[in-house]
Amino acid sequence: GNSVTQMEGPVTLSEEAFLTINCTYTATGYPSLFWYVQYPGEGLQLLLKATKADDKGSNKGFEATYRKETTSFHLEKGSVQVSDSAVYFCALIQMTGSARQLTFGSGTQLTVLP
Amino acid sequence: DVKVTQSSRYLVKRTGEKVFLECVQDMDHENMFWYRQDPGLGLRLIYFSYDVKMKEKGDIPEGYSVSREKKERFSLILESASTNQTSMYLCASTGYNQPQHFGDGTRLSIL
Repeated sequence: GNSVTQMEGPVTLSEEAFLTINCTYTATGYPSLFWYVQYPGEGLQLLLKATKADDKGSNKGFEATYRKETTSFHLEKGSVQVSDSAVYFCALIQMTGSARQLTFGSGTQLTVLP
Repeated sequence: DVKVTQSSRYLVKRTGEKVFLECVQDMDHENMFWYRQDPGLGLRLIYFSYDVKMKEKGDIPEGYSVSREKKERFSLILESASTNQTSMYLCASTGYNQPQHFGDGTRLSIL
């Protein structure tokens, strides 16, 4: 079945450092790929998405490119801020019966120090 | 903006109790989902529903049931709560060709 493997955390960076969180997937067909972010005490929010190969999703300075040849969707940001401290989840979507079902990675905790 | 509302942020119950977690969405979405989130395990799907009165098992349905009597409301039921069901529970909804929108979560403790 489908699966998502993402870089284990926790990740601790200084403010303005470069961020990469790796994500690879296993899927049949051509899934859509997502990054979700969960700030402390809150639910998940969609950060960015890509629906086909070579698409680049971007939002709030974060980017991720859908690489079919390497089955990857790595999250990057050039200069992180303290406010980016959160848990980041990579996910893909599949059809199951009549519903679109997300498969999540295990999450990566990011802490940014001032 | 889509609003997914879970009835409680924090809940404490005792072993053996029947527990109801409620979720309401205001965007007329067809699909609704219940996940539990545990450290190191990410989000795991318990049940989902793609229409009123329709439900399908997710990856970890044991010990849970669900109810979808109205389109906007999806309830998760712990028939006889156990300590291993202490967790964060997240509800989500989605319409056709849209990303999932999540509630703020219910942190449930079973004593």
